[in-house]
Amino acid sequence: DTEVTQTPKHLVMGMTNKKSLKCEQHMGHRAMYWYKQKAKKPPELMFVYSYEKLSINESVPSRFSPECPNSSLLNLHLHALQPEDSALYLCASSYRLAAHTLYNEQFFGPGTRLTVL
Amino acid sequence: GDSVTQMEGPVTLSEEAFLTINCTYTATGYPSLFWYVQYPGEGLQLLLKATKADDKGSNKGFEATYRKETTSFHLEKGSVQVSDSAVYFCALSHSGGSNYKLTFGKGTLLTVNP
Repeated sequence: DTEVTQTPKHLVMGMTNKKSLKCEQHMGHRAMYWYKQKAKKPPELMFVYSYEKLSINESVPSRFSPECPNSSLLNLHLHALQPEDSALYLCASSYRLAAHTLYNEQFFGPGTRLTVL
Repeated sequence: GDSVTQMEGPVTLSEEAFLTINCTYTATGYPSLFWYVQYPGEGLQLLLKATKADDKGSNKGFEATYRKETTSFHLEKGSVQVSDSAVYFCALSHSGGSNYKLTFGKGTLLTVNP
């Protein structure tokens, strides 16, 4: 299984709602990522988890709260979002982060298209 | 810091035409280089990669060669199909402690007409 799955595929939420995005992989990868992608732009890194611990937070607002309950699952909890947060949210995974790793091929999921009203 | 520059799109070609999408990079050391493709409404897929100078990555008829002397990784395909219509991203990544970070170019939209 070389697939990263994401649910839901589409999500519409109001600014007062609380919702969660889910990402799952069964490739045995120990590094997982959240990216945000606006239309016609490249993905922007938000968070990196390594061995279920948050390693990188790219100065993301606290209304986005990541969680990694186990090595296969990654969640992104959303609360009090703004319309400008509407975007495609991509999850990715890679084998691991390690100082001696030559390169770090990331496998991306299909994304969740989020619309904030 | 690292940066990747891709040719501005959109690129519009007829089926069976030759494709080149230019990519140059600025980085210290010896980064790994990647081409990702994003089909409409989908996530990113790794198209090909190269980890050292003079490596040639290839997949699905696409090729790119890691040229350290010109800091380039141009994507080529000899005969494009309508199904190749997508956005193509050139990217780089370092080994070691910062290997979590992919630096992307801005992307090039390719449209292939029948």
